[in-house]
Order: sequence, then C-alpha cells, then structure tokens
Amino acid sequence: EPEVTQTPSHQVTQMGQEVILRCVPISNHLYFYWYRQILGQKVEFLVSFYNNEISEKSEIFDDQFSVERPDGSNFTLKIRSTKLEDSAMYFCASSDGRGEVKEKLFFGSGTQLSVL
Amino acid sequence: EDQVTQSPEALRLQEGESSSLNCSYTVSGLRGLFWYRQDPGKGPEFLFTLYSAGEEKEKERLKATLTKKESFLHITAPKPEDSATYLCAVQADLDSGAGSYQLTFGKGTKLSVIP
Repeated sequence: EPEVTQTPSHQVTQMGQEVILRCVPISNHLYFYWYRQILGQKVEFLVSFYNNEISEKSEIFDDQFSVERPDGSNFTLKIRSTKLEDSAMYFCASSDGRGEVKEKLFFGSGTQLSVL
Repeated sequence: EDQVTQSPEALRLQEGESSSLNCSYTVSGLRGLFWYRQDPGKGPEFLFTLYSAGEEKEKERLKATLTKKESFLHITAPKPEDSATYLCAVQADLDSGAGSYQLTFGKGTKLSVIP
C-alpha cells in the first residue's frame, strides 16, 4: 500500500538554527499538508498546499515557516530560526482530492523535532 | 472558533467488553467529521468520514455515528489489537461556502484493551 514517507524520523537542533523537514507524499496525490503535535497536545494544522501554492495556513505558520515542493516528488517544511516551542512531532499528509472522500488524509510517521 | 472535545481521555476495557467513545464539536458549518486511529510513534490512520446527522459507518468492530452536536465511536467486542488513541476531527465550511482545508482535532481517547 502506498504511504507517505518522512525523513528524518528524529531531528535535534540548537535554538536559532534552520531545519528542513522532508516528506515524499503519495505519488498521485494533489493536496499536501503539514500538521504538528506537541507532546500530550492535540494534532494542529499548520498549512495546506495545492497547485504549487499555499491554499490555507494557521496562525502557527508565521514568517519563520515556509513550504516548498522543489522537484515534483518531495514536499518540505523549513523553519528558519527554531525556537524551543517548536519542539514537536511534525506530520506530513497528502490526499488525492478526488472521489467521494476528498479529505481522506494519509499521514506519514512524523519527524520528532527537538530544539535545545 | 471550532472546538472538538473527546471523552473519556482514557478507557480500559476487557477483551470483549463493548463501549463507546464520544466526540462533541462546535463548528460554524460542518463539512465533515473524521475519525482516525493513532498508534504510538505513528501518524493518524484514517477510519471514517461522516457528513450529516444520522449517518453511520462501520468497519470491522468499529461503528461511527453522527448527530448535530456529537459523534460516537462504538467498539463491539474489542480485541487487544484495537488498543490505540482514537482521534476525532472536524472540517468546517469557510465563510465563502467553500470547504476549509484544515482539520481541527480533539485530544483523543486512549483505548487499552486487556486480554
């Protein structure tokens, strides 16, 4: 069964450093998302991406965050200058946007980001 | 602001002991209500989407129902492999009438099924 792949599974960084989290969505999917989950908290929406542009973003997704689909297969989340409160599990998701359940999201296993 | 509240936070069941998980929601216009299963260290795994009050969906030992204010996930004769955190999420309508892309999740119910 096709799956969303995320790398790395764990990332440790120093506060103020830039990090790039990488995702390979399912190949025929058209919609891409980033969510995050702080330990013990809810899964929170960050951003959705369609047709090479951001379609929706949350208040969390400020100027320190950016997304890119550089080569037609990868989907990346960049955090420009990490803060302690950015420590969380980051999930990439994708959906095909077609059919009866357009919003059926397939999630990756996540990247655990630890900011020290 | 869209809100999703799940109860109980945690539930321990004996194998075969049926029960229900609750998800109550407040949303300006409901586009869809979703149930996901999350295993430790993994991303959420899609289970069901419900769109309108009165709708029901079933998958193996799970049955999801929807009213105008809440959804229930009924688990019949659970097995240890059903142990996981079950997440409820809502998708709202935008003011424009189009559907929002984002899902608003609840904190989940951690289910443990004891053999």
